Amino acid sequence: AQSVTQLGSHVSVSEGALVLLRCNYSSSVPPYLFWYVQYPNQGLQLLLKYTTGATLVKGINGFEAEFKKSETSFHLTKPSAHMSDAAEYFCAVSRSGGYQKVTFGTGTKLQVIP
Amino acid sequence: GAGVSQSPSNKVTEKGKDVELRCDPISGHTALYWYRQSLGQGLEFLIYFQGNSAPDKSGLPSDRFSAERTGGSVSTLTIQRTQQEDSAVYLCASSLILEPGTVYSPLHFGNGTRLTVT
Repeated sequence: AQSVTQLGSHVSVSEGALVLLRCNYSSSVPPYLFWYVQYPNQGLQLLLKYTTGATLVKGINGFEAEFKKSETSFHLTKPSAHMSDAAEYFCAVSRSGGYQKVTFGTGTKLQVIP
Repeated sequence: GAGVSQSPSNKVTEKGKDVELRCDPISGHTALYWYRQSLGQGLEFLIYFQGNSAPDKSGLPSDRFSAERTGGSVSTLTIQRTQQEDSAVYLCASSLILEPGTVYSPLHFGNGTRLTVT
């Protein structure tokens, strides 16, 4: 079974400050890990993913995440928050390989304060 | 090209009525997912169709919920005898199924159906 835990349902940062959204996963097999973003009144879209290879992955809009197996973590970061980053962010996990059932976390709403 | 289409976008129904929610996936996508999004609950997995394999129904919350996928394309999620706790946004997503080691195919989400049970 796989699961993800997102710490903090709401995170507020000032514009220009570091964004850090936390995600820990549980998986009995090597995982694939993802961050999806949902902007207000829009559908979810993939922000970035880790499948194999480099553990630091870069996504759209300046976001990146690092897969740390020893810590079972996949935290999302961005050096400098923009107002347009205000959205809900979901961490997700699936098994590596062909069976791609994707399990999502409960989400973190990011508020950016001007 | 066209994305994942869900209909209706909004549905208001009375408690005890049955509802059907429809999902048209991206053409050629062999995997189809239903999720439920409620306040504070994140995305709750409901059911997963993968190609011609038996669907993974492990997330359906009760026997009032069922889903089918006809011809490997359109899917319908049916909720019988709706209850107020069924009120949520129901999201459909589709993706390609690729062999391990190939480029990962992300989930493409529809805009959801907002169900309100009064």
